[in-house]
Amino acid sequence: GESVGLHLPTLSVQEGDNSIINCAYSNSASDYFIWYKQESGKGPQFIIDIRSNMDKRQGQRVTVLLNKTVKHLSLQIAATQPGDSAVYFCAEKVPHGQNFVFGPGTRLSVLP
Amino acid sequence: DGGITQSPKYLFRKEGQNVTLSCEQNLNHDAMYWYRQDPGQGLRLIYYSQIVNDFQKGDIAEGYSVSREKKESFPLTVTSAQKNPTAFYLCASSPGLASDEQFFGPGTRLTVL
Repeated sequence: GESVGLHLPTLSVQEGDNSIINCAYSNSASDYFIWYKQESGKGPQFIIDIRSNMDKRQGQRVTVLLNKTVKHLSLQIAATQPGDSAVYFCAEKVPHGQNFVFGPGTRLSVLP
Repeated sequence: DGGITQSPKYLFRKEGQNVTLSCEQNLNHDAMYWYRQDPGQGLRLIYYSQIVNDFQKGDIAEGYSVSREKKESFPLTVTSAQKNPTAFYLCASSPGLASDEQFFGPGTRLTVL
């Protein structure tokens, strides 16, 4: 993963707006990606995943987009709610790989 | 947190002391992992275990030790050799080493005084 030092990027959005969180992954050979949500003081929770044979996958209120050309992953959250406030990070895995590589994350703050 | 428990939630340690963090899972998963999380950084792998009585070093194993005597348990010992042990420690498990999703525990925050 990439380190951005002690301070996480922060995204502030108004309640009800859509959020877009970005992740630049490190290995062009990675073929599986996960987005996690981590609330303060808690363990990460799985949100949505995508494989490299897809460029878009939708869940409930969330969409993940994958651009393999520029090694970029994004998470879109529709109608952002206060409960969405958390740190979001991506994880990547290479084929037959044993371990994931995790990004540093982005802090999402939802404003009332 | 789905079947993975970590204890304690908060742990304080004096310099020079070893401390053991507990991780238990009732998901019948073969693989278990320990990660360290520091502010502004991605999770870093400390140790992982594919099966009982087997474990492998991750990226930052120095100053840590583990055991896997039972399938459901994977305790992590932070030894006095770990120079900067204050961090949030996360345990995870997956059905197998090559499985896709990892399930995380709630974490233990270790503070060295």
